[in-house]
Formats: sequence, structure tokens, C-alpha cells
Amino acid sequence: RKEVEQDPGPFNVPEGATVAFNCTYSNSASQSFFWYRQDCRKEPKLLMSVYSSGNEDGRFTAQLNRASQYISLLIRDSKLSDSATYLCVVKDSNYQLIWGAGTKLIIKP
Amino acid sequence: EAQVTQNPRYLITVTGKKLTVTCSQNMNHEYMSWYRQDPGLGLRQIYYSMNVEVTDKGDVPEGYKVSRKEKRNFPLILESPSPNQTSLYFCSSSPHRDSYGGYTFGSGTRLTVV
Repeated sequence: RKEVEQDPGPFNVPEGATVAFNCTYSNSASQSFFWYRQDCRKEPKLLMSVYSSGNEDGRFTAQLNRASQYISLLIRDSKLSDSATYLCVVKDSNYQLIWGAGTKLIIKP
Repeated sequence: EAQVTQNPRYLITVTGKKLTVTCSQNMNHEYMSWYRQDPGLGLRQIYYSMNVEVTDKGDVPEGYKVSRKEKRNFPLILESPSPNQTSLYFCSSSPHRDSYGGYTFGSGTRLTVV
């Protein structure tokens, strides 16, 4: 079983729609959580950290459910420029980052 | 501009020919690490360094070496590359290992070993 699991997609979504990704992690002692965005053949870039109470940044909302060990990312009013691979990342108790393989999102006009 | 700089961006080499991928950061970060990214897998850590002259193995260190003689530089060395080291490599840095914020990544090095 992978330590951080994501649906690889691709998710094909029309522009303007709302899309949600989930990610599950296996280590209950994990300390912090992130969503990164990676464009094709480019480096990952931090999209947002995920806080226990949930947090929002514009059209993006992240939620953490520690009891069920999953993290979610919601994108509202999706734009063509949101097309990318979204990486779920968990920092474990040894401060090591554990990366999911990513979910590919394709926004269609 | 705060950044992590990796070179080269693309490299094709032959089995057994030693190579070095350079990584430099201008943010005075203490923590630096190297990752490889392969299709269908998450990024996997090769080596990391918590400060000058302090390096340690990540999850997939076999076939790689690193050094951290200066705070800004963290080169990745493949003494005898093999085809299974064909991959996309990223260098990253952060202020400290336990920094809450995210890591800054270089633009990546696409290595092909034939």
C-alpha cells in the first residue's frame, strides 16, 4: 500500500465547473499537509498548506480529516489555467515529505 | 529573485560515464534535498542535507553521491550511471527541515542514460 494515495485521473472538467480531489495517507503520526501543483515537465510549486480547521485561498479550499486520514482539495469556477497535476504531500514525524503520484486535471473550454 | 538553480536541464549520457548535476540556492536555506520523479510514482528523496557538511540518505540513495561544502550548493553525483537512473531530477531547499512552509524547487534535470 502506498503511503500517500491519489486517484491518477485524468479528470476532464468543463471550464467553470467545481472539481474535488481526495488524497489518503497511511501514517497517522503525519504532521503537516500540502497541495502542490505541477505543470507538465515543470517543477512542483506549493499551492497551499492544509490546516486542521480547513483553509481557503481564493477559488481553492483544502480540508483535512485526521480521523479518516484524508485530505481534499476543492477548486471552484475552474479556469483553463488550472490544468495541471495536483500533488498531495504529507510531512511525517521525521519531517520527511511523502509525495503522492498526483492527480491530472484537464480543464476543457 | 529567490530561486533554486539546477544545471543542466537536459542530459543524455552513456552507461558508466560519471556526471554531476549542480544545484544552487540564493535564499540562505539550511535544508536542501534531491528527488527523482518517475511516471506513476511520487517524488522520491535521494539524499538530503540539513546544513553544511551534514548529509544523509533518503529513500533511494543507491548509485548517487552528494556533497555540501558550501551552504548554497548541493551537487548530485552519479559515479557510474545506469539506465535505471533515467529520470527527472529535482533539487529543493527550505529554511529548515522542519519548516512549516513548502519547499522551493529547481526547474528539474531530465537525465537519460543509454
